Amino acid sequence: DAGITQSPRHKVTETGTPVTLRCHQTENHRYMYWYRQDPGHGLRLIHYSYGVKDTDKGEVSDGYSVSRSKTEDFLLTLESATSSQTSVYFCAISDLADPNYGYTFGSGTRLTVV
Amino acid sequence: AQSVSQHNHHVILSEAASLELGCNYSYGGTVNLFWYVQYPGQHLQLLLKYFSGDPLVKGIKGFEAEFIKSKFSFNLRKPSVQWSDTAEYFCAVNADNAGNMLTFGGGTRLMVKP
Repeated sequence: DAGITQSPRHKVTETGTPVTLRCHQTENHRYMYWYRQDPGHGLRLIHYSYGVKDTDKGEVSDGYSVSRSKTEDFLLTLESATSSQTSVYFCAISDLADPNYGYTFGSGTRLTVV
Repeated sequence: AQSVSQHNHHVILSEAASLELGCNYSYGGTVNLFWYVQYPGQHLQLLLKYFSGDPLVKGIKGFEAEFIKSKFSFNLRKPSVQWSDTAEYFCAVNADNAGNMLTFGGGTRLMVKP
């Protein structure tokens, strides 16, 4: 979607390797989120950020870390990838000051851990 | 913490049939409610939202949803579906004690047969 991009779009990695996914926004929104999407589970929040260097855990944060050194970038790192982390990862942004308040989602990253 | 339930995981309809997808949430306080749609291979897009006022909310593409506070429900409806409505639909809730965090339901996959 316009204003939010995720990279890479697809990645295959081996078990035990570190992986970093990037979310970049041009909307200057304060809040950024990382979700994983798995069949039957919908979207589950991994981590979120409410400002530069301000992050917090979501419901499925184990095995993941995040960093936000700039307003526009929110990085998700899998320290040591496992097969259970094979999923589609979505980044989202939001801003309570936005009158159309809601989340804007990126196009997703399909990660396969083999 | 609030939870969101979508009881229909898969729905198959013929074109022109009426649609109703259920969504129930568990939080007893004030909520903002959303329906998102994810077309095959795409990211989530906002379909409609309820913040306050008229509990019957109209969204894009002929969809509507009704907030029934006494039933903790926000069901999505469309009088006559089209093949192009084939997608996965997610209900989401923002509770007044959760900042602007959204909790998503597990999703309902809708297939419309031509």
